[in-house]
This record gives sequence, structure tokens and C-alpha cells, in this order.
Amino acid sequence: DSGVTQTPKHLITATGQRVTLRCSPRSGDLSVYWYQQSLDQGLQFLIQYYNGEERAKGNILERFSAQQFPDLHSELNLSSLELGDSALYFCASSREAQGWGGYTFGSGTRLTVV
Amino acid sequence: DAKTTQPPSMDCAEGRAANLPCNHSTISGNEYVYWYRQIHSQGPQYIIHGLKNNETNEMASLIITEDRKSSTLILPHATLRDTAVYYCIVNNAGNMLTFGGGTRLMVKP
Repeated sequence: DSGVTQTPKHLITATGQRVTLRCSPRSGDLSVYWYQQSLDQGLQFLIQYYNGEERAKGNILERFSAQQFPDLHSELNLSSLELGDSALYFCASSREAQGWGGYTFGSGTRLTVV
Repeated sequence: DAKTTQPPSMDCAEGRAANLPCNHSTISGNEYVYWYRQIHSQGPQYIIHGLKNNETNEMASLIITEDRKSSTLILPHATLRDTAVYYCIVNNAGNMLTFGGGTRLMVKP
């Protein structure tokens, strides 16, 4: 157990729907990072939050959004889902904003869009 | 971030040292070298990082050449549980780590 908790572990939904993925960072970590891993794209950085504020943005689609709450958990919202959004979504956390000492990843949410 | 080049796959005998190379010839002075691994669709796991000095922790050793253009991750006594994809990443900000294709290490009995 890495200390980073992601729920749900698996999610199957239809095209056009909206889902929310949840991440609780390791105790004491203020930064949360979201990554998407699909078969043809590898691990892609989506977005980072630090202590409730957006810190860095990667290749995140406009249909996707995220936020970090006062208790530091984070949610990734995916809307108007397409077949190509099927992927593993990982959350990671680190103590600082820069993540110098490395990230701790959760075990991921496997999203299947049918 | 500087681009990295890793062999797509490597084999290693169980109990032997696994030496995973990474080329990062365009690395700049303030960029760190990070290594992560991913075991079969689990979340990636941080292994080690360094700037210019060699580093060692309980998992591995990181050897960075003097010109910093390449590095080697060493798993001193590989076990079957070390079978994974190993990612070498060069980054100067500590965030927005960019994962490439990595090296698929197969440890064989």
C-alpha cells in the first residue's frame, strides 16, 4: 500500500457520460498529480494541484477538469466520454510543490468507455 | 525537458546485477535524472534520482557519467519481482515528469 488511495478501481461507462475519479494523497503530501496511461500513448501528465491551487497543466483535454479540496483529496472529472478515453488513470502525490524527492503513485482507476 | 533514450527491452538472470542504461545527451545543468519503474499496470514506483553524483538507496544505485550525458541504474541482485518497465526521466522542475517508452526488464530464473 503506497498510501495514495484511488477510487474506484474499475469503472465501466457509456460514451457521452461523465465520471469522477477520486484520489486521496499520502498523509502530509500537499501536491497531487494526475496521469493518464493508454495503450498507445504511454503515461501522460494531465494536471497538478498544490495545496488547493492548480500548479501545472499538461495535455489535459477541455472535457476533463480537476480540483483539490481543503482536505487535500482531489477529483478528476471526465465528461462527454469517448471510446478513446478508456485508459488507466493514476494519481500521485508529493510533499512539496516541485516533487523533487519523487512521487508516490496510487494503484490507478481503470476506465472503460463502451 | 531533455529527451532520454533507453533500450526497449533487456533480460537479466535472477541473482545477477541488472544494469539499465539511459542516454540523455542534451541534459542541461539544472536537470535531475529520475528513475521509476512500473510493474504490470500497477502505479509507477519511484526508485532513485540524482543530479551529478552517484546515488545509492535500498533499491538501487544510480551512476551518472561525469559529462552527465548518460546514466546507469543498477539493481545489484535482480529478483523475479524486479521484472517491470523502467523509466529514465530528466527534469528540472520536479513536476510534470514526462514518461517515455522505458526499458522492459525481464528477470529470468
